[in-house]
Amino acid sequence: GEDVEQSLFLSVREGDSSVINCTYTDSSSTYLYWYKQEPGAGLQLLTYIFSNMDMKQDQRLTVLLNKKDKHLSLRIADTQTGDSAIYFCAESRPGSGNTGKLIFGQGTTLQVKP
Amino acid sequence: DAGITQSPRYKITETGRQVTLMCHQTWSHSYMFWYRQDLGHGLRLIYYSAAADITDKGEVPDGYVVSRSKTENFPLTLESATRSQTSVYFCASSGQANTEAFFGQGTRLTVV
Repeated sequence: GEDVEQSLFLSVREGDSSVINCTYTDSSSTYLYWYKQEPGAGLQLLTYIFSNMDMKQDQRLTVLLNKKDKHLSLRIADTQTGDSAIYFCAESRPGSGNTGKLIFGQGTTLQVKP
Repeated sequence: DAGITQSPRYKITETGRQVTLMCHQTWSHSYMFWYRQDLGHGLRLIYYSAAADITDKGEVPDGYVVSRSKTENFPLTLESATRSQTSVYFCASSGQANTEAFFGQGTRLTVV
C-alpha cells in the first residue's frame, strides 16, 4: 500500500478555509512537505515542516503536524480560485541523504467555487 | 535562462522503441531525480543521482536507464518502451543543504 495517504478531492467556496489532510507511516521522517501542482505545470513547493515542529504558519498557509498520529494537514485561509490545483503531501526519509528523495501521496485536487 | 528544463514536453513513441528524456539544470545542484506521475499513485521515484557519475535506483527503476556524465544533465532512457511507461515524467534537482527540490515542467510520454 501507499506510505503516504491523502483524500483525492476537496471542494470549497471562495473565501472559505480549506483543510487538506495527509497520513504517513514512517515516524522517523525528517521533513514533511506540501507541493502544489497547477494544470500542465511542474510541482511548486508551498511549505515544509521539520519533524520536531508541531505547527508552521506562512501567510495564508498553516501546517499542523501530529507525530503521534502521523498526521499532517495544510490549512489555506481565505481560499481563492487561484488556489485550485493538486496538492501533494510528501515526506523525506532519514538516511536518504538529501531532501529531494521524497515519498509522495496521491495528491488532493482542490476545487474552489466562486 | 536559469532553472531546470525538460525536453521534450510531449512525446509519442511506439512500443519497443528507445526514447530519451532530457533534463538540464543551471544551478550546479548536486542531486537530480526522475519521478513519474500516474493517476492514483502520486509521484514515484525512478532514479536519482547524488553527483556526476553517481546514480542509484528509486522505487520503480525497471525498464529505465540513467546517466550523469555532467552535473547539469540527467537524461532518462527507456530502452524498449512499453505501454505501462505512458506517464508524465518529472525531473527535479536540489543542492546539498537545500530543503527544497525544484521540479521541471514535466514530459508527457505516450507509448502506443
